[in-house]
Amino acid sequence: DIVMTQSPDSLAVSLGERATINCKSSQSILNTSNNKNYLAWYQQKPGQPPKLLISWASTRESGVLDRFSGSGSGTDFTLTISSLQADDVAVYYCQQYYTTPPWTFGQGTKVEIK
Amino acid sequence: EVRLVETGGGLVQPGGSLRLSCAASGFIVSNNLMNWVRQAPGRGLEWVSVIYGDGRISYVDSVKGRFTISRDNSKNTLYLQMDSLRADDTAVYYCAGDSGSSGWGNFDHWGQGTLVSVSS
Repeated sequence: DIVMTQSPDSLAVSLGERATINCKSSQSILNTSNNKNYLAWYQQKPGQPPKLLISWASTRESGVLDRFSGSGSGTDFTLTISSLQADDVAVYYCQQYYTTPPWTFGQGTKVEIK
Repeated sequence: EVRLVETGGGLVQPGGSLRLSCAASGFIVSNNLMNWVRQAPGRGLEWVSVIYGDGRISYVDSVKGRFTISRDNSKNTLYLQMDSLRADDTAVYYCAGDSGSSGWGNFDHWGQGTLVSVSS
């Protein structure tokens, strides 16, 4: 199974500052035949189900604000919140869907306001 | 609007059984991938099981032989039969739909979840 590892486990960022979350997969999740990385990012606010933010490592879902961006390829990926707002306080998860199941998540990164 | 509503959670003793249901509206379960994803208290997300549109099924190793995923197309409802429950099955269980709009294997629609507690 592909293991997804996020860093850091938590971070505190001042309002308006940049937040950066890293995600590393135990093997490449880049499909070289279509040049797509099979990596998704989710946001989970307290008491709510997760919400899909980004697929294909860098494609924002409809309605997701452009302060959220994803980057990376192969085994190393990043979610960036360009200007942190109070509404962004949440736990963020990466997830690979490269293989047949099991699909696996990172352990999560908790983002708080400093 | 897509709506997924889970029911059937509760408190059960170790070794017991529960059946979870996920009623879908605005989303045809037989045309999409339907999943169960769980989250133990204070922990991260764990994918549990999927049923594909063509009926193929897959499970995470820890539930193989104990859990059974199924669907009723006429009721547009997804199920998870959970037998031989253990304390480490305690979690909120989410029904998660995958429309394939961003490739298959990620989850673009989620229910609110139902809590399963396994304890004596």
